[in-house]
Amino acid sequence: EPEVTQTPSHQVTQMGQEVILRCVPISNHLYFYWYRQILGQKVEFLVSFYNNEISEKSEIFDDQFSVERPDGSNFTLKIRSTKLEDSAMYFCASGNRENQPQHFGDGTRLSIL
Amino acid sequence: GNSVTQMEGPVTLSEEAFLTINCTYTATGYPSLFWYVQYPGEGLQLLLKATKADDKGSNKGFEATYRKETTSFHLEKGSVQVSDSAVYFCALNQAGTALIFGKGTTLSVSS
Repeated sequence: EPEVTQTPSHQVTQMGQEVILRCVPISNHLYFYWYRQILGQKVEFLVSFYNNEISEKSEIFDDQFSVERPDGSNFTLKIRSTKLEDSAMYFCASGNRENQPQHFGDGTRLSIL
Repeated sequence: GNSVTQMEGPVTLSEEAFLTINCTYTATGYPSLFWYVQYPGEGLQLLLKATKADDKGSNKGFEATYRKETTSFHLEKGSVQVSDSAVYFCALNQAGTALIFGKGTTLSVSS
């Protein structure tokens, strides 16, 4: 069964550094999402992406965050200047139609030191 | 705005016990409803879904019925196994927008 894959599985970064989280969505999917889960808390929506542009974003997705689909297969989340509170599990998800379920990757655990 | 409320955990059961995890929602219009499961160290997996009132989603012995009159989508399983130990998330969305998740309920099943 097709999967959403995320790399790396764990990223450790110094505060203030830039980090890029990578995702390969399921190949025929058109809708892409990033979520995060701070340890012990609920899963929170960050941003959705469709037709090469952001379609929706949450309050969490401020100017330090950006997303890109550079080559038609990868979908990346960049955090420009990381803060301690960015430490979380980041999940990528994709879907192929508006009312179909989103499929999630296994996540990238981001640890900011 | 839209929201999801699920029962606080952890839920601790013996193998073969009956499971109910309550989930209620607040939404305008007619959302789609989902249960996702997160096994230890893994990502979120779709467990089941329902897209309209009175639909019943089912998978791996789990069931949930979309009840519009009570705005609920409770998860049930007749006989849990140790392998069902995980965190269960109720979620909703509308027309492909962001999923809104509940806080998650940890289920621990012992043999």
